[in-house]
Amino acid sequence: EVQLVESGGGLVKPGGSRRLSCAVSGFTFSNAWMSWVRQAPGKGLEWVGRIKSKIDGGTTDYAAPVKGRFTISRDESKNTLYLQMNSLKTEDTAVYYCTTEATYRLSRPFDYWGQGTLVTVSP
Amino acid sequence: DIQMTQSPSSLSASVGDRVTITCRASQSISSYLNWYQQKSGQAPKVLIYAASNLQSGVPSRFSGSGSGTDFTLTIRSLQPEDIATYYCQETHSAVFGGGTKVEIK
Repeated sequence: EVQLVESGGGLVKPGGSRRLSCAVSGFTFSNAWMSWVRQAPGKGLEWVGRIKSKIDGGTTDYAAPVKGRFTISRDESKNTLYLQMNSLKTEDTAVYYCTTEATYRLSRPFDYWGQGTLVTVSP
Repeated sequence: DIQMTQSPSSLSASVGDRVTITCRASQSISSYLNWYQQKSGQAPKVLIYAASNLQSGVPSRFSGSGSGTDFTLTIRSLQPEDIATYYCQETHSAVFGGGTKVEIK
């Protein structure tokens, strides 16, 4: 059974940092493209960024609002995905989901999701 | 950047009704379009990928169509368990539409 379990959320002051983790199981993590998607309270979904599998280069892509502030990384030995968030702003307040991208499908849907972890950025 | 516009933003329909949600891309995205369902308090779940392909395990009352810039998600006969917000998403920049909240009348 595929499982993705996020952790690391909490209350952070503006300008602060936070690292989220996503522990995965039930599939070959090293082959997976992984993304983070966030959802501000009462709002819609927003893609944050992705990291490709090492075999596909291991490169990262980010959405414009977080580029230069957020960094996605992965530790294959721990089957864990990370999201390092720096210079946090109040508008980064959201539930953060980790997801897998089904790269074997033409449109690469996000097919497995974690339960999400809430990050609140507030003075 | 590609923009994805969904309509309506919300709708209310009766059980058994046919429900249609549209999604328009600001430029052609071929069939690189996915649909998700998000129930209250839950993570999203993919329903349709590549515009018209039903994800495994999704009831056949859900269907998708379209290509280029205009796409449609149809629920053939609305059921109480379909109460949720639905999102379209394009592949290239992973942009989501604003969502359509579906309620029972």
